[in-house]
Amino acid sequence: DAGITQSPRYKITETGRQVTLMCHQTWSHSYMFWYRQDLGHGLRLIYYSAAADITDKGEVPDGYVVSRSKTENFPLTLESATRSQTSVYFCASSGYWDNQETQYFGPGTRLLVL
Amino acid sequence: GENVEQHPSTLSVQEGDSAVIKCTYSDSASNYFPWYKQELGKGPQLIIDIRSNVGEKKDQRIAVTLNKTAKHFSLHITETQPEDSAVYFCAGSLSGTYKYIFGTGTRLKVLA
Repeated sequence: DAGITQSPRYKITETGRQVTLMCHQTWSHSYMFWYRQDLGHGLRLIYYSAAADITDKGEVPDGYVVSRSKTENFPLTLESATRSQTSVYFCASSGYWDNQETQYFGPGTRLLVL
Repeated sequence: GENVEQHPSTLSVQEGDSAVIKCTYSDSASNYFPWYKQELGKGPQLIIDIRSNVGEKKDQRIAVTLNKTAKHFSLHITETQPEDSAVYFCAGSLSGTYKYIFGTGTRLKVLA
């Protein structure tokens, strides 16, 4: 019963490199989300997906690409990493509980761009 | 769009005392307000939530209150313990939209 997992947990890369962060959930939740967490900004939504092959931009989508070919996976790609993308990235999925959709978070990926 | 403000950014309390964290929201259409606790190195975990048709909700030492007229809601932790030390986030959401707007977080330190 893994729930929602993220990989890698830690990543160091260099400016200009492509990086893909993986997210996998075992609940068959329709909605999935990617957030970044930075000091002073809380959690900001990058992209979200309502179902396989349906994605949409959040608050801070520039520099990121997502795909969702399968319900359980929602990878986030930094096409050309920049230092400003150094952050902690959280994936979440949304399930319906007690007549309310609730978001459940993964453990996060710490990304350092040198 | 919705904006959620959270105060204070840091809070230190003595073990056994109460802690209160406050959030305000801008969109009067928001009707769901979850609270998350984030321990060091982990993802946020839902600890309690409240809907706009309810004024208060309790779960053991944790309670949340909502004032729809003033557009603010608060998290109350009584009899604080060292394991309550964490970062707490509030959020606002319009039911059915699946999108949350988070506050900037409160770092709570419970001093033994």
